[in-house]
Amino acid sequence: DTGVSQDPRHKITKRGQNVTFRCDPISEHNRLYWYRQTLGQGPEFLTYFQNEAQLEKSRLLSDRFSAERPKGSFSTLEIQRTEQGDSAMYLCASSLGRGGSETQYFGPGTRLLVL
Amino acid sequence: AQSVTQLDSHVSVSEGTPVLLRCNYSSSYSPSLFWYVQHPNKGLQLLLKYTSAATLVKGINGFEAEFKKSETSFHLTKPSAHMSDAAEYFCVVSDNTGGFKTIFGAGTRLFVKA
Repeated sequence: DTGVSQDPRHKITKRGQNVTFRCDPISEHNRLYWYRQTLGQGPEFLTYFQNEAQLEKSRLLSDRFSAERPKGSFSTLEIQRTEQGDSAMYLCASSLGRGGSETQYFGPGTRLLVL
Repeated sequence: AQSVTQLDSHVSVSEGTPVLLRCNYSSSYSPSLFWYVQHPNKGLQLLLKYTSAATLVKGINGFEAEFKKSETSFHLTKPSAHMSDAAEYFCVVSDNTGGFKTIFGAGTRLFVKA
């Protein structure tokens, strides 16, 4: 068990560019989550997958954001036409279970800076 | 609707003195409650969780929390602070109904003075 990994750890981009982040969950975990964390705030839920199915999306996830989890393994989060307001830490977590009581294991995050 | 309020944005204690980080929640259903810790440049780590079993929950590193339904509180405590406890702490409420809602509080930064 190597934990949840995220790549890249840091990304600097210019406004209007597209970026893609990758998350590799703990191998046997069926659920995968994406969060966004801005400075001085707690993480905010963006979306989650159960296996390959995207079951819920937050209102924070505008149409410029898209997430996939092909084959129920790793996941990607793409942001198109980035804006300065997208600058944040993007966190990925995974868990094993069905309800809301299972522990989520978090990756180190990808810090995005949009210039 | 669910919500989480961490009553203090910053708490400062001296090493060896007790720690109290306060959290109040609102939930329409039977909630699961968690405390996570985030050290600088490190990922979020689970300290403890409540899932409708014992109301006093013991976690890692000497932390514990008590679920009080009548007060809708889930305060985090530790009898004696250590310098290594300095970090950001998040109270989290999660929906138990099968639909998914996980809400983080805004966080409490704990400072520990020597």
